[in-house]
Amino acid sequence: SAVISQKPSRDICQRGTSLTIQCQVDSQVTMMFWYRQQPGQSLTLIATANQGSEATYESGFVIDKFPISRPNLTFSTLTVSNMSPEDSSIYLCSVGRDREFNEQFFGPGTRLTVL
Amino acid sequence: GNSVTQMEGPVTLSEEAFLTINCTYTATGYPSLFWYVQYPGEGLQLLLKATKADDKGSNKGFEATYRKETTSFHLEKGSVQVSDSAVYFCALTRGAGSYQLTFGKGTKLSVIP
Repeated sequence: SAVISQKPSRDICQRGTSLTIQCQVDSQVTMMFWYRQQPGQSLTLIATANQGSEATYESGFVIDKFPISRPNLTFSTLTVSNMSPEDSSIYLCSVGRDREFNEQFFGPGTRLTVL
Repeated sequence: GNSVTQMEGPVTLSEEAFLTINCTYTATGYPSLFWYVQYPGEGLQLLLKATKADDKGSNKGFEATYRKETTSFHLEKGSVQVSDSAVYFCALTRGAGSYQLTFGKGTKLSVIP
């Protein structure tokens, strides 16, 4: 398994501002992902964070709104830009170490409320 | 595209009752199937998985069998405990070597003494 931490654990933000969420893993991992869990809903994949190159975004998510960085194999950030109340969600980082076993481990999440 | 359909909750059971949470999927190719659990106030954890047809995943008394003919991966436990109260998510990946998960909507289970 992997130990994953996220910062901040929660935040309350004003409309129009941006928030950067950090994800730190205790060991090098091959794959890192960002998910969103809207209130009462399931998890939706936002993007795959690629080390050393641009993130790969899922349909409905764009880089201008959710810029992602991954400078190394243990760290990634997700920024939620120009926030609106519809962005209120839990944002989760997940990691996968071994492509063969394709197991993912999830961070504790960042609970974001936009007023 | 891939999709996962779970039985709607919430589900309330008495302690020691039998649990089934239904999960069916639509996918191309040969997805891997997972059950994740989210206990109150905690992060998402992998409960069990199966990577090919007829595989049975099991953990903590829970079981699920990958049924390709019925495209199902139902979660079962013979005797639930209060500590099993959580939200359970069925999920799949796009196929061999793929990590990207598609989740069902989740089923909230409450077990009462």
